Amino acid sequence: EDQVTQSPEALRLQEGESSSLNCSYTVSGLRGLFWYRQDPGKGPEFLFTLYSAGEEKEKERLKATLTKKESFLHITAPKPEDSATYLCAAVGSLSAGYALNFGKGTSLLVTP
Amino acid sequence: ETGVTQTPRHLVMGMTNKKSLKCEQHLGHNAMYWYKQSAKKPLELMFVYNFKEQTENNSVPSRFSPECPNSSHLFLHLHTLQPEDSALYLCASSQGVANQPQHFGDGTRLSIL
Repeated sequence: EDQVTQSPEALRLQEGESSSLNCSYTVSGLRGLFWYRQDPGKGPEFLFTLYSAGEEKEKERLKATLTKKESFLHITAPKPEDSATYLCAAVGSLSAGYALNFGKGTSLLVTP
Repeated sequence: ETGVTQTPRHLVMGMTNKKSLKCEQHLGHNAMYWYKQSAKKPLELMFVYNFKEQTENNSVPSRFSPECPNSSHLFLHLHTLQPEDSALYLCASSQGVANQPQHFGDGTRLSIL
């Protein structure tokens, strides 16, 4: 059964303190690994798609990387506006209807 | 309007009421989805429509009934819901279903009295 696990559940950083969020996945025939950001009262906002091990994507202070078993979202010198819940999702070749399998998310708080 | 729009944003209903949630996407996508988001749980896929055809019903109770009249509009008809159905209902769309990113609306916050 496809499974996605995110850690930590919650993370508190000081402004400027870099860190990484982890997404471990067990998916048959990975077709894509997705990162989303979700603010309170809003829907998930698409950030990145990674398709194969070794691939990296960057956007401002965020950088996503992918290995055969996990993905990391690196946050460099975060600012308070980076506070949000970050969701990871994977889709595999056996995923029913090619549905995204989501993790529970990491709630990030960046304090000034 | 751009992106994915959901209405209403908030809905309170009794267990015997009938109501509908509406979703409209302005992205030119051909696949649409309904998800349920409950506290402390991952997003749960409910239904998938690809080119207006339902391709997935993820064992959802019959008190939830989807409708997709065209590839831009998606409805979720609700009747005789239970208190455990209180959640955030999210609509998403994508270009194809295989490995393309899904783009979400801001959801309808549903409360069942």
